[in-house]
Amino acid sequence: EAGVAQSPRYKIIEKRQSVAFWCNPISGHATLYWYQQILGQGPKLLIQFQNNGVVDDSQLPKDRFSAERLKGVDSTLKIQPAKLEDSAVYLCASSPSSYRPNYGYTFGSGTRLTVV
Amino acid sequence: KQEVTQIPAALSVPEGENLVLNCSFTDSAIYNLQWFRQDPGKGLTSLLLIQSSQREQTSGRLNASLDKSSGRSTLYIAASQPGDSATYLCAVKVVTGGFKTIFGAGTRLFVKA
Repeated sequence: EAGVAQSPRYKIIEKRQSVAFWCNPISGHATLYWYQQILGQGPKLLIQFQNNGVVDDSQLPKDRFSAERLKGVDSTLKIQPAKLEDSAVYLCASSPSSYRPNYGYTFGSGTRLTVV
Repeated sequence: KQEVTQIPAALSVPEGENLVLNCSFTDSAIYNLQWFRQDPGKGLTSLLLIQSSQREQTSGRLNASLDKSSGRSTLYIAASQPGDSATYLCAVKVVTGGFKTIFGAGTRLFVKA
């Protein structure tokens, strides 16, 4: 099966600019996750979707971050405006369902964002 | 609040050595525990998934154990190779207002040829 696809792989922007990341999960996976991984740390969940509904966005900085999964398949994560501390790898992952917790995750390769 | 700790933060071993990576978690009420490998600049690759009712899982040279009561998991790598050099992360899935997965910060492994 095809894996989780993410684009772009790398992005460099200036602070206060906007940026968007795209993710296409594994076909048939209902749950999609966006994680932020700062250098030297483990991934931190930003938002979790079940189909096109938000399950958890408690750690998403909503004043500058937004995400959508309009048709329950692809997802876009946006940062507007970016800050220096947003420099990180943004990882997308998918799993069969939020209601089937004994399944693991499959991750994409990530997007490395550098804010200068 | 569940916290996941991985010790050591970094490890350097000569090729061929057997090694153990440690993961500890503060709340034993977990659904499963997953070990991942992360290569520099890449995403996470799942290595092993241990359900809460299981004690261990094996895949090739890798063996992961789980002791829920003590809040510990270990990843054993036999006969290490330079290609095993990567960061290894463990993650636990818990139920706290819904299912959440909490990651450790990882152990960075370097295997010297």
